[in-house]
Formats: sequence, structure tokens, C-alpha cells
Amino acid sequence: QKEVEQDPGPLSVPEGAIVSLNCTYSNSAFQYFMWYRQYSRKGPELLMYTYSSGNKEDGRFTAQVDKSSKYISLFIRDSQPSDSATYLCAMSAIDTDKLIFGTGTRLQVFP
Amino acid sequence: EAQVTQNPRYLITVTGKKLTVTCSQNMNHEYMSWYRQDPGLGLRQIYYSMNVEVTDKGDVPEGYKVSRKEKRNFPLILESPSPNQTSLYFCASSFLIAGGRTGELFFGEGSRLTVL
Repeated sequence: QKEVEQDPGPLSVPEGAIVSLNCTYSNSAFQYFMWYRQYSRKGPELLMYTYSSGNKEDGRFTAQVDKSSKYISLFIRDSQPSDSATYLCAMSAIDTDKLIFGTGTRLQVFP
Repeated sequence: EAQVTQNPRYLITVTGKKLTVTCSQNMNHEYMSWYRQDPGLGLRQIYYSMNVEVTDKGDVPEGYKVSRKEKRNFPLILESPSPNQTSLYFCASSFLIAGGRTGELFFGEGSRLTVL
């Protein structure tokens, strides 16, 4: 079993839809949770960063962490064609700096 | 412009022919790292460096070498490439923050390597 599981998609939604992207993990020591966005032929870029449980909002993006269920989510409101990319979750434990990445979910937002 | 620059972006080579992928960052970051990205496997760390002359193995170091002689550069060396090293490679860098943890990782645009 992988430490971090992420549905590869692709997820195809119409413009304006609310998108939910998810990752599950098995290591209860994970405390730092990140979402990276990767456009085609580009490197990943940090989108959201949360520590421990709870929600964090940044514009149209909300990151949610449920440590009891070992489940993290990224919500995108009012999705735009420019949101079309692969979204990677990543996480690390408090006693190590090693980042474990999910395999990424490809999102397509069509006009 | 703050960036991580990798070269070459695309390379096709043959088994056994030594190659180097260069990585340079202009943000004065202490930490640098190499990843490979493969379908269904995600990003896996090859090697990382916490500072000049300090390097350590990641999860998949076999067949690779690195060096960190200068703060800005972190080349990835494939001494004798094999077809299973065909992949998309990313260099990344960040500052070290409180407690020696890495901050936000900044990635290069990737180097697509094909070994025949």
C-alpha cells in the first residue's frame, strides 16, 4: 500500500463547477500537508500549505485536512479553464523533512 | 526573475553514455533536490543537498550521482544510463527555515530524458 493515494483522474468539469480533489494517507505522523499545481510541460508550484487539521482558504481554493480519517481535500470554487492542470498532494511528518507526493489528479475545466 | 533552471530540457541518449543534467537556482537557497516523475509513481526523490558539500540519498538514488560544489548549482550525473532511467526529472530548491525544515519548494521546468 502506498503511503499517499490519489485518484489519477482525469476529472473533467464545466467552467464554474466546484471541484473536489482528494488524497488519503496511511502514516498518522504526517502533520504538514501541501497541494501543488503542475501545468503541462512545467514544474509543480505550491498552491496551498496547511499544518495539522482544519481548513485554509485562499481565494477560490480551500484546503481541508481531516487527520482522524487520514484524508485531505482541495476544493476549487468557480473553476476556470486556467485551472486545468495536474494537482499533486504532498505531506511530511514533524520529525522528518521528507516530502511524500501523491501521483497527481489531472483536472480539465472546459468552457 | 527568481527561477530554477535545468538543462537540457529534452535529451535522447543511448545506454551507457554518461550524461549530466545541470540545475542552477538564483534565489540563494540552501536546499536543493532532484526528483524523477513517472506515470503512476508520482514524484520520487533521487538525491538532496542541505548545503554546499552536503548531499544525501533520497528514495531512488541507484544509478545517479550528484555534487554540490557551489550553492547555486546541483548537477545530476548519470554515469551509465539505462532504459529504466527514462523519465521526467525535476530539480527543486528552497530555503531552510526554523528547525532546519525546508520551506516552499521551487521547481525547475523539467528535463525529459529518454535512454535507448
